[in-house]
Amino acid sequence: GAVVSQHPSRVICKSGTSVKIECRSLDFQATTMFWYRQFPKKSLMLMATSNEGSKATYEQGVEKDKFLINHASLTLSTLTVTSAHPEDSSFYICSAEPRDRGSEKLFFGSGTQLSVL
Amino acid sequence: QKEVEQDPGPLSVPEGAIVSLNCTYSNSAFQYFMWYRQYSRKGPELLMYTYSSGNKEDGRFTAQVDKSSKYISLFIRDSQPSDSATYLCAAGETGGFKTIFGAGTRLFVKA
Repeated sequence: GAVVSQHPSRVICKSGTSVKIECRSLDFQATTMFWYRQFPKKSLMLMATSNEGSKATYEQGVEKDKFLINHASLTLSTLTVTSAHPEDSSFYICSAEPRDRGSEKLFFGSGTQLSVL
Repeated sequence: QKEVEQDPGPLSVPEGAIVSLNCTYSNSAFQYFMWYRQYSRKGPELLMYTYSSGNKEDGRFTAQVDKSSKYISLFIRDSQPSDSATYLCAAGETGGFKTIFGAGTRLFVKA
């Protein structure tokens, strides 16, 4: 199956710092990548859709200046949490949509646990 | 009403039991349906993908879609403790629309 690599798996940072999370598709090209946030025992909450070479589309209520998304190539998207605060602590997951396998199957990264002190 | 409804559980079964996980959906335009398994603090893993109605079997897992009743099911035969995880159903329309996820059902298989 398709492999999506997400790094780091865990990050602890001080309040006010910025954190970058990387999502890479290792064996396929991803036209579109998605970023989710997940709270404990809750389902995935879509934050934004990232398309290669264009601006990300953010879901309602998600601050685009807070959560910067860059999809610089067909295999890499990054999410930067700027000026992180404790309320940003969460589990962040990316998924990628293979370019040549139809638009439905999503393959997920392993997630990043962000803890802001 | 959420587009995809799923009972969050938890569901606890003994090892070897047949597990039935279910979702309902409201959008009749949904054409594809998926089940994902998610272990704690890991990303979801695609288990089953079904296009339109019907059954699909893969080892101990069977996915069923009944579009007439807008009902999605996942059956796990001979359940194992390693099946303990959260199972997420998902559905969507073709043509570049977003995939919609259910809330996920937490399953515990007791040895």
